[in-house]
Amino acid sequence: TQLLEQSPQFLSIQEGENLTVYCNSSSVFSSLQWYRQEPGEGPVLLVTVVTGGEVKKLKRLTFQFGDARKDSSLHITAAQPGDTGLYLCAGNIGGSARQLTFGSGTQLTVLP
Amino acid sequence: DAGVIQSPRHEVTEMGQEVTLRCKPISGHDYLFWYRQTMMRGLELLIYFNNNVPIDDSGMPEDRFSAKMPNASFSTLKIQPSEPRDSAVYFCASSLRFFNQPQHFGDGTRLSIL
Repeated sequence: TQLLEQSPQFLSIQEGENLTVYCNSSSVFSSLQWYRQEPGEGPVLLVTVVTGGEVKKLKRLTFQFGDARKDSSLHITAAQPGDTGLYLCAGNIGGSARQLTFGSGTQLTVLP
Repeated sequence: DAGVIQSPRHEVTEMGQEVTLRCKPISGHDYLFWYRQTMMRGLELLIYFNNNVPIDDSGMPEDRFSAKMPNASFSTLKIQPSEPRDSAVYFCASSLRFFNQPQHFGDGTRLSIL
């Protein structure tokens, strides 16, 4: 059973369009991270959100952590082909735990 | 700075053979993680170490899998005997000891068991 469900699983859009990716759980997480993975490489961290309701912006990417710290979203404005990749959310339950639970991933393709 | 280094990048072998995957974490990192990624199951944590000591191996599929970290700069994941269902991309990642630190991933080993 996946603790973190991501939707949509696949997304193909045209350059310039906006999109939102969702990461949902029935569990509360102490923090949540978003990673992007490109073919043949390992995931690379984009952002960490810690506080319920927190919003972080990274250029055209906006990340939000739900008030109850059970869900998160990633919004991309004016997508570009360079945004193509697998987007993964990952939650940490906190305390002394250092392991992450990864979501199922959203494969984004931005067509020129 | 060098990132996490994994070897080999690709491994193709026949079922029943022993497979050893290697990882060199980033110098100074206290935590080391081994993951397996497949289309069906996504990215799964197999085991992680803190200061060379295994902390949680509940993700290791079965006794055929074993991992060691003899020192701070080297870890191995061994599969013996290997089976076709072990085919996947195996990632190693490392991080600093502080909470909410990013995990830095290697480029993975693509393993194919025939």
